[in-house]
Amino acid sequence: DAGVTQSPTHLIKTRGQQVTLRCSPKSGHDTVSWYQQALGQGPQFIFQYYEEEERQRGNFPDRFSGHQFPNYSSELNVNALLLGDSALYLCASSSYRDGANVLTFGAGSRLTVL
Amino acid sequence: RKEVEQDPGPFNVPEGATVAFNCTYSNSASQSFFWYRQDCRKEPKLLMSVYSSGNEDGRFTAQLNRASQYISLLIRDSKLSDSATYLCVVNIARGSTLGRLYFGRGTQLTVWP
Repeated sequence: DAGVTQSPTHLIKTRGQQVTLRCSPKSGHDTVSWYQQALGQGPQFIFQYYEEEERQRGNFPDRFSGHQFPNYSSELNVNALLLGDSALYLCASSSYRDGANVLTFGAGSRLTVL
Repeated sequence: RKEVEQDPGPFNVPEGATVAFNCTYSNSASQSFFWYRQDCRKEPKLLMSVYSSGNEDGRFTAQLNRASQYISLLIRDSKLSDSATYLCVVNIARGSTLGRLYFGRGTQLTVWP
């Protein structure tokens, strides 16, 4: 049973560029949440998708956008990258029926912005 | 004010020691509470949920004090493999089953031989 898979695992971008990160949820999960974890900090909630719609959003600017596909996979897009966007981006999946309490995290995509 | 506050440590203890971590949360409407473990450069993984009555899982004991908005984790008989960052987590579900998790910054533990 595959867990949450994320790609790419590492990437380097320069300021002003755009990036797309991808996530496939655990089998049987239909809800995807994205978190940003800066070095030395806990994960911070970006947004959550269910039924292909953004259901909740954290305190992140509009440069951060996302999408969920019919197969429940999801993408996180970040435009106009800033140095401060360097972080580990974690995708977490869950089942709507279970709420968001039982999260399974992927290994993350580590983004470095130069 | 952050939703979840934790002492970042680091805590450095010998094998066999007992160590306790604490955290506080600011939103009295918080519904669910957890401790996650995160190994270096890995993803967070659920260690245990925390219930008002307190709960134990082997060497790990978690306590919740709703009145004080305080959560604790006690690790007895520390093992080298317990070295990790421990994240205090709360869920504030605002009228929806799709709650979101708030993480503390984590407390770093190193167990030495």
